[in-house]
Amino acid sequence: AQKITQTQPGMFVQEKEAVTLDCTYDTSDPSYGLFWYKQPSSGEMIFLIYQGSYDQQNATEGRYSLNFQKARKSANLVISASQLGDSAMYFCAMREGGYNKLIFGAGTRLAVHP
Amino acid sequence: NAGVTQTPKFRILKIGQSMTLQCAQDMNHNYMYWYRQDPGMGLKLIYYSVGAGITDKGEVPNGYNVSRSTTEDFPLRLELAAPSQTSVYFCASLRGLTNEKLFFGSGTQLSVL
Repeated sequence: AQKITQTQPGMFVQEKEAVTLDCTYDTSDPSYGLFWYKQPSSGEMIFLIYQGSYDQQNATEGRYSLNFQKARKSANLVISASQLGDSAMYFCAMREGGYNKLIFGAGTRLAVHP
Repeated sequence: NAGVTQTPKFRILKIGQSMTLQCAQDMNHNYMYWYRQDPGMGLKLIYYSVGAGITDKGEVPNGYNVSRSTTEDFPLRLELAAPSQTSVYFCASLRGLTNEKLFFGSGTQLSVL
């Protein structure tokens, strides 16, 4: 069964607008962590934001925020004021259980249009 | 600070050949991982290690082997390369805190023809 689901293979947004990238997860472990990574066309993996399952507030990092809805098991990434440089693949990932292993979703390709 | 270093960056193998992908980190991290990323897909865990001398299988270990003789190095061995192993391979590490991000290498693009 899919542990991390990203239902949007591709998204586009106008420059300076906000965009939400969806991520749902499945786990029975009460302790888990959720990550978002950006992969530009150059291929490197860039960490964006982290949310722990016990964190009371939604995580924010600059223009990135994570809309964490625990009961719905969703961890959507919100990018505010999109920039052309935000065009990339975005991966949601979950750390579950021991050994800090991350499970990745299939990704969403975001295109920012001028 | 070099971080996580992977070599080579690109490699073309013939079916049946073997090779070792090198990964080294200079951050004294306990945990190291090998992932593969097929075109247009997410990353899948091949093997991981929680310290020198300790390794375990991930989601897709078939066709690969690893070793961890030192904290710094975590090489991935491909024996009898197959076209299905054409992928981008990422090595990653972290110290061990649960909220800590993975530090990724720059990846190795491997083609098996």
